Amino acid sequence: QKEVEQDPGPLSVPEGAIVSLNCTYSNSAFQYFMWYRQYSRKGPELLMYTYSSGNKEDGRFTAQVDKSSKYISLFIRDSQPSDSATYLCAMSEPSSNTGKLIFGQGTTLQVKP
Amino acid sequence: SQTIHQWPATLVQPVGSPLSLECTVEGTSNPNLYWYRQAAGRGLQLLFYSVGIGQISSEVPQNLSASRPQDRQFILSSKKLLLSDSGFYLCAWSPDRGIGNQPQHFGDGTRLSIL
Repeated sequence: QKEVEQDPGPLSVPEGAIVSLNCTYSNSAFQYFMWYRQYSRKGPELLMYTYSSGNKEDGRFTAQVDKSSKYISLFIRDSQPSDSATYLCAMSEPSSNTGKLIFGQGTTLQVKP
Repeated sequence: SQTIHQWPATLVQPVGSPLSLECTVEGTSNPNLYWYRQAAGRGLQLLFYSVGIGQISSEVPQNLSASRPQDRQFILSSKKLLLSDSGFYLCAWSPDRGIGNQPQHFGDGTRLSIL
């Protein structure tokens, strides 16, 4: 079993839809959670960073963490064609002395105009 | 603000040739530095990380090596490339505080094709 599971998609939605992207994990020591957006032929760009259960909102993006279920989500409201990209979840342990992040496989999202 | 630079953006090399990819970070001191490889549909694989000059840790045994000759410079090398070394190579940095709880920031990568 992988430490982090993420549905690779692809996920196709119409413009304006609410998008839900999800990751599950098995290691209860993970305390820090990140979402990255990666456009084709570019490096991942940090979107959201959170370290507690609950919701964190930034514009059209909301990150949700449920540590009891070992489940994290990224919601995108009013999705735009410019949101079309691959979304990667990542997480780490506070005790790590390497800063090593564990990544999901990435979900490819296409928002159609 | 901090920026990270990687070059070249694209590289085509014959099998058996040497490799040198460079990454530099600006606007911060003593960053933690990372090299990843991203294969299509397989996520990011951590290759090397460094917490200081000359300090390199390898995550997976392979045909590659890394060096950190200066505080903000990280180099990925190979003496003889294999076909399996093809991929998208990403450099990343994180701040030198509270290691283990800082997000990483990525460069735009080098797409390496081996012929």
